[in-house]
Amino acid sequence: AQKVTQTQTSISVVEKTTVTMDCVYETRDSSYFLFWYKQTASGEIVFLIRQDSYKKENATVGHYSLNFQKPKSSIGLIITATQIEDSAVYFCAMSRGRNYAQGLTFGLGTRVSVFP
Amino acid sequence: NAGVIQTPRHKVTGKGQEATLWCEPISGHSAVFWYRQTIVQGLEFLTYFRNQAPIDDSGMPKERFSAQMPNQSHSTLKIQSTQPQDSAVYLCASALGGSNTGQLYFGEGSKLTVL
Repeated sequence: AQKVTQTQTSISVVEKTTVTMDCVYETRDSSYFLFWYKQTASGEIVFLIRQDSYKKENATVGHYSLNFQKPKSSIGLIITATQIEDSAVYFCAMSRGRNYAQGLTFGLGTRVSVFP
Repeated sequence: NAGVIQTPRHKVTGKGQEATLWCEPISGHSAVFWYRQTIVQGLEFLTYFRNQAPIDDSGMPKERFSAQMPNQSHSTLKIQSTQPQDSAVYLCASALGGSNTGQLYFGEGSKLTVL
């Protein structure tokens, strides 16, 4: 069975600095997709960034980037130049199967607090 | 484009009563998912539909929980004889049928409180 583990329950950072979150996963699939989502204080869950397992390049979107280490089954999220509005819970997730649209398996999340 | 719409946003039931939650997926999305979110268990997969057909309900508690998708714009999650442990936020999400990435678009959730 798949498993996604986020060991950091909470992180506090000062605004405009960089925060890094860890995530490790377990899967038997040879091809899979990895995601990071953000849940805001209002409860809204928003897609941030995706890494395809067959791609060696780390994905980057805006001030979000990934540190994909496939041999270690690790997909870390890096947020640079953090802003107050980056305060949220961040979820790591992976596709539940190789076939499309079978849903995602989520980690328990890391709460990030950004302070002025 | 409107996002995924879930109603009601909040529902309070007494123990033993029935609760029905509704979801309207994004137009054109052919996959619909139900998740349950609690502090302890996080986001748990319950079930999903593709082109209205039930595909995988492996996450659904076998008793008391049922889900249906009578048409492409509407899915329901029904919980019979609700128990306090059913209290959670129930999230509906949809995905493009042609997508091979599995990216989900979530609704705002229905918070169920069982007294």
